[in-house]
Amino acid sequence: GAGVSQTPSNKVTEKGKYVELRCDPISGHTALYWYRQSLGQGPEFLIYFQGTGAADDSGLPNDRFFAVRPEGSVSTLKIQRTERGDSAVYLCASSVTGTALSGANVLTFGAGSRLTVL
Amino acid sequence: SQQGEEDPQALSIQEGENATMNCSYKTSINNLQWYRQNSGRGLVHLILIRSNEREKHSGRLRVTLDTSKKSSSLLITASRAADTASYFCATAALPSNTGKLIFGQGTTLQVKP
Repeated sequence: GAGVSQTPSNKVTEKGKYVELRCDPISGHTALYWYRQSLGQGPEFLIYFQGTGAADDSGLPNDRFFAVRPEGSVSTLKIQRTERGDSAVYLCASSVTGTALSGANVLTFGAGSRLTVL
Repeated sequence: SQQGEEDPQALSIQEGENATMNCSYKTSINNLQWYRQNSGRGLVHLILIRSNEREKHSGRLRVTLDTSKKSSSLLITASRAADTASYFCATAALPSNTGKLIFGQGTTLQVKP
């Protein structure tokens, strides 16, 4: 696609529920990134994929968070047993490759999915 | 964890003035990038500077990098009201060639017409 698309744009859920957030990256971009941003803060790294595999998942806060990218394109971030502290904007980005060589890690971001846990 | 620290946290200037934002980071880097975020929107890439570069220009933007001090600055010349946004630096850390970027906390810039 022309840009990075994220759905839903807004999600309100109750504490304890399961949530899925979807990201459709730019066509041909092999790397896909998930970040979380709280109000007034910078984006916090969660996980990034090179193709279908998670190259670095060191930012996932705990085992309630999981992300997949089964065909190397669309990715889904899954949050189990949501807590109020999970409320944030979840940003997805993609880049041509997942390396910093030749500046190939310039990220194109989607508009984000705002998650509110009541 | 946050790698970069921006300074100042907030900046308010008049249209036509220059705006300077600073970023400090902790580890050796492959490259450093600056992004802009308008309120309620996603981030937009502005400029990338490699670790072997000291200065880079793009339109009204000028970025400097001092790897010995682990710091960078972003200068916006002749600011416009449309430049009002939050600005973030982000670093790709060595020793690997990982594309992962770690962002700072950002500087909120307000340009008054």
